[in-house]
Amino acid sequence: DTGVSQDPRHKITKRGQNVTFRCDPISEHNRLYWYRQTLGQGPEFLTYFQNEAQLEKSRLLSDRFSAERPKGSFSTLEIQRTEQGDSAMYLCASRITGGRNEQFFGPGTRLTVL
Amino acid sequence: DQQVKQNSPSLSVQEGRISILNCDYTNSMFDYFLWYKKYPAEGPTFLISISSIKDKNEDGRFTVFLNKSAKHLSLHIVPSQPGDSAVYFCAAGNYGQNFVFGPGTRLSVLP
Repeated sequence: DTGVSQDPRHKITKRGQNVTFRCDPISEHNRLYWYRQTLGQGPEFLTYFQNEAQLEKSRLLSDRFSAERPKGSFSTLEIQRTEQGDSAMYLCASRITGGRNEQFFGPGTRLTVL
Repeated sequence: DQQVKQNSPSLSVQEGRISILNCDYTNSMFDYFLWYKKYPAEGPTFLISISSIKDKNEDGRFTVFLNKSAKHLSLHIVPSQPGDSAVYFCAAGNYGQNFVFGPGTRLSVLP
């Protein structure tokens, strides 16, 4: 399977703990996006990378959130000092610049903060 | 302030009939629009897109219509099949930049 993969698929944590999610994009895709999705809403943009450079961050991305893509391949999203409001589905997507502008999404990581 | 609205949270259609999903946007500068479909426990998958230079784009059973003056687009599925039952997201933005997603419409196609 050469699609976008995310790990873990589910994460349950206690408030105040740190969590880290991983995304492996489609190998030739130079852009990688992180989204958050809560119940009854569509995906909300958090940040994106072009290769290893983080080009844009949403105001939704508080100081407790940090994302990296050190070698321009996989990416990690870390949430420090988790809060109950962080409970959501975290989606990763990738695409190649040019073409149809279509993003390919992974299955997501569902985070539950108790 | 929702820039992309899908005012019908759900829609039920009989198999074989037409499904029409609607989407409205507020930013007149948006020039590219996409529809995604999402099954449970999966990420959204791309369905069809349209740029603002067109008012219609067709791909098999799926057609997207764009009315720029009304800032409205719609997705038509003809004929609807039970496998089309999913949540459909409309997304709008500018080509090459990020997109804003609507809240989705859950389509149920009844056999």
